[in-house]
Amino acid sequence: NAGVTQTPKFQVLKTGQSMTLQCAQDMNHNSMYWYRQDPGMGLRLIYYSASEGTTDKGEVPNGYNVSRLNKREFSLRLESAAPSQTSVYFCASRLGGTGNTIYFGEGSWLTVV
Amino acid sequence: AQKVTQAQTEISVVEKEDVTLDCVYETRDTTYYLFWYKQPPSGELVFLIRRNSFDEQNEISGRYSWNFQKSTSSFNFTITASQVVDSAVYFCALSEAGGSTLGRLYFGRGTQLTVWP
Repeated sequence: NAGVTQTPKFQVLKTGQSMTLQCAQDMNHNSMYWYRQDPGMGLRLIYYSASEGTTDKGEVPNGYNVSRLNKREFSLRLESAAPSQTSVYFCASRLGGTGNTIYFGEGSWLTVV
Repeated sequence: AQKVTQAQTEISVVEKEDVTLDCVYETRDTTYYLFWYKQPPSGELVFLIRRNSFDEQNEISGRYSWNFQKSTSSFNFTITASQVVDSAVYFCALSEAGGSTLGRLYFGRGTQLTVWP
C-alpha cells in the first residue's frame, strides 16, 4: 500500500550541483504535482502534470525542470542548485478531476550549502 | 492576494480544551473544493476532509468538525476535547474547477497547533 513514494528523503547539495528528485505513485492517478514547503509559506506549487505527456508551470517554477516519464513517475530536477532551493519537497498525485483528493508523499528534505 | 488565508499562525491550548482553526478563502468560481490537511511533527501531509462548494452541511467526525459557510467564504475546523496527539500544523486548501489553474491546490500558510498536557 505504497501510495506516493519519493526518493531521496534527505539530500545535501553544494551550490551549483544538480540532482533529481524521483516520485512514483501506484494509485493509477492521472495528475501529479511537485510542491515545496518553506517555513511560514505553506506549500507552493512548482510544476504539475495533469496527465501523462503534459507538464505545466506552477507558482514557483524557476530553477526547476520536470519530466513525466510515464503515468506512474514524475521527476523534479534541479540543474544548478542554489541555497534558495533549500526546502522540503512534496510530490503528490490525484486521480483526476478537481474535486478528487490529492495524496502526498512523505517529503524530501533538501539542503543546498 | 492569497486565495486561502489562515490568520492564526500559532495556537496553544491545554488538553481537553476545544479549539477552532479559521480558514477564509477567495475564489470567483462557483464550483470549487476545500480541503484540510494535517502535518504532524513527522512531516507527512495527512488528508482530513474535502468539501465541495455545493454542500454546506457541517460535518462531524469524532472529535473533529467542520463549518463551511459560503456567505463568509469560510471553512473552519474545530477540534473538541483536544489531545496532545492533535499537535500539528493544519493546512486549509482550495481547488478551483475552472481556469488555467485547473486541479491545483492553493494552500494557506498553516496554523501550528500545540496542545499541552
